[in-house]
Order: sequence, then C-alpha cells, then structure tokens
Amino acid sequence: DAGITQSPRHKVTETGTPVTLRCHQTENHRYMYWYRQDPGHGLRLIHYSYGVKDTDKGEVSDGYSVSRSKTEDFLLTLESATSSQTSVYFCAISEYNRQGRGEQYFGPGTRLTVT
Amino acid sequence: AQSVTQPDIHITVSEGASLELRCNYSYGATPYLFWYVQSPGQGLQLLLKYFSGDTLVQGIKGFEAEFKRSQSSFNLRKPSVHWSDAAEYFCAVRGGGADGLTFGKGTHLIIQP
Repeated sequence: DAGITQSPRHKVTETGTPVTLRCHQTENHRYMYWYRQDPGHGLRLIHYSYGVKDTDKGEVSDGYSVSRSKTEDFLLTLESATSSQTSVYFCAISEYNRQGRGEQYFGPGTRLTVT
Repeated sequence: AQSVTQPDIHITVSEGASLELRCNYSYGATPYLFWYVQSPGQGLQLLLKYFSGDTLVQGIKGFEAEFKRSQSSFNLRKPSVHWSDAAEYFCAVRGGGADGLTFGKGTHLIIQP
C-alpha cells in the first residue's frame, strides 16, 4: 500500500468552527489531491497540488482552502464548517511520466460530521 | 468537460457467476481510464488502468476491462465472482494532465450465496 495517512480519521465539529484535515505521504510524490465522497455523487475533486506551494481548484472548491508547505503534507481547511460539508474526505497522491501516465493512490479517508 | 456514467446503481450476482459492470465516459481525446473498488468503511483500491495500447487490460483479483472507443465504454468483467467481491466499484477518467480524476457515481455489487 502507498504510504498515505490522514488525520484525524473521524471528527465531529459544530457549524461555524474551523477544521483542518491533514494528509501525509511518505512516497515523495509531487501531486496530491483532496476529494469528498457523498452518497449518490461518487468522489468529487476539491483541490489539488502539483508541488510545494502550488495548488489549484477542483470541481467543488467553494468553502475550502488548501496549503502545501512541504512535499509530504497537504492540508485541507474548512474556514467555517457548514452541515453541507459533512462528508468523507479522501486524499490521493500520484506521479506522472512524460506522457502523463500515472495512477492515483488513496488514503484511508476522514469522516467529518458537522452538527 | 469530462464525465463518467455508471448506469447501474446496484447489481446482484450469484457467487460463481460472471460479472460485467458498465462504464461510459465522455472525453474529447483519448482518455486515461481506471476502475477502483471500495469495501465498506475503506479507502479506494486501484483494480486496473488503461492508458493506451491493448484495449483489454488485466487487473488485480481476476478482473479485466475492455476499452471500446467506438462505444465510449470501459466495462469491467470477472468470469466468476466470490463473496469477497461484494463492494462499491467506481469507474474514473482523467485527461493527459495532472488534473484530478472524474468519477462515476459507483455501482454497488451484492453477491448472493
């Protein structure tokens, strides 16, 4: 298994509070991703990073911010959590060759409940 | 924009029977295609991938998938399912860049004894 950990694994928080989720990798991969998984929606991309301090928005980025100060860590922050952000959050990592070929490997997920 | 459709939300198969899970994609060029499996409460595990070349790709756990450009499909197959194959299966597509994957909504596979 790819060396990806996510913390915390479970969190319950109140509406309006800030929340930060951490993804840590030991593979030294350049690319890192945050997805959310909701019933009936599959997984949707929130943000991704293509290097230290280099990030970009995904399909469902509103209400989320990210930071990557080191290769191994990619943080997802909910500045003011809302009930609609109750979800399971997955981190993924990848490397690509010159043809753009490569696969993404996923972490174990963080279950976030906003009450 | 790319998209993935998995027409079957649930599929029930008897143990030992063959399986085919459908996946249709929409993408302007040759896509990179993936199948992932997710057991309850777990993360996603990569079953197989297609980048180019042979349109029939083999994966782990006895799964295979066939890329059919004319039908924009990448269906997953297994000749004989086992009770341990019960899980959620996701098809995903990516273009040539480093963008994230676009996933289908998943197919929930139930195995009957």
